[in-house]
Amino acid sequence: QVQLVESGGGVVQPGRSLRLSCAVSGFSLSTYAMHWVRQAPGKGLEWVAVILYDGSDENYADSVKGRFTISSDNSKNTLYLQMNSLSGEDTAVYYCARASVSYCSRFTCRTFDFWGPGTLVTVSS
Amino acid sequence: DIQLTQSPSFLSASVGDRVTITCRASQGISSYLAWYQQKPGKAPNLLIYAASSLQRGVPSRFSGSGSGTEFTLTISSLQPEDFATYYCQQLNSYPLTFGGGTQVEIK
Repeated sequence: QVQLVESGGGVVQPGRSLRLSCAVSGFSLSTYAMHWVRQAPGKGLEWVAVILYDGSDENYADSVKGRFTISSDNSKNTLYLQMNSLSGEDTAVYYCARASVSYCSRFTCRTFDFWGPGTLVTVSS
Repeated sequence: DIQLTQSPSFLSASVGDRVTITCRASQGISSYLAWYQQKPGKAPNLLIYAASSLQRGVPSRFSGSGSGTEFTLTISSLQPEDFATYYCQQLNSYPLTFGGGTQVEIK
């Protein structure tokens, strides 16, 4: 069955970097667009980034553009989020999520049917 | 960016009640809206996509309607397992955005 499991979270100092991973099973990253969504403690959901199933396009929230990079390794069935220049505003639970439609295009890439349990990133000195 | 405003932000209701949550978009988004349910400590769960289409496996007591700038999520008869926070999400354009959430609690 479909499973997503994030890892790589933890406590990191402001200005430092961290890389999150999302190991997937039950489907191939080469057929589904993938997203990262985050949630600050006690707050709502914030979309972070997307990568298309063929890696042809990426998109980012303005709050992370230029600092975060989404990527995937289809051979390892793993999605990544490289986070640089972290600040306290990046403290959140980070979820990876699968687009609802395989080989999606435009709008069908933009809803999320399976999510991981999340990994907590705390940016603090 | 497209802003989504949910109302109410908090709702107290009883089992069996009919509940309606509203989501307003800052500009027209056709039917490009989804609804999610999130329980404490868990990832969100997709309920409705394309404003009114029920996701596979979601009970039929959930329904969505609307287009343009105003949307609603309705729970026809609230069940104990429905007490959670609900979010709308626009998929019209990047960056994707969510509403602020509606917390549904037991009266």
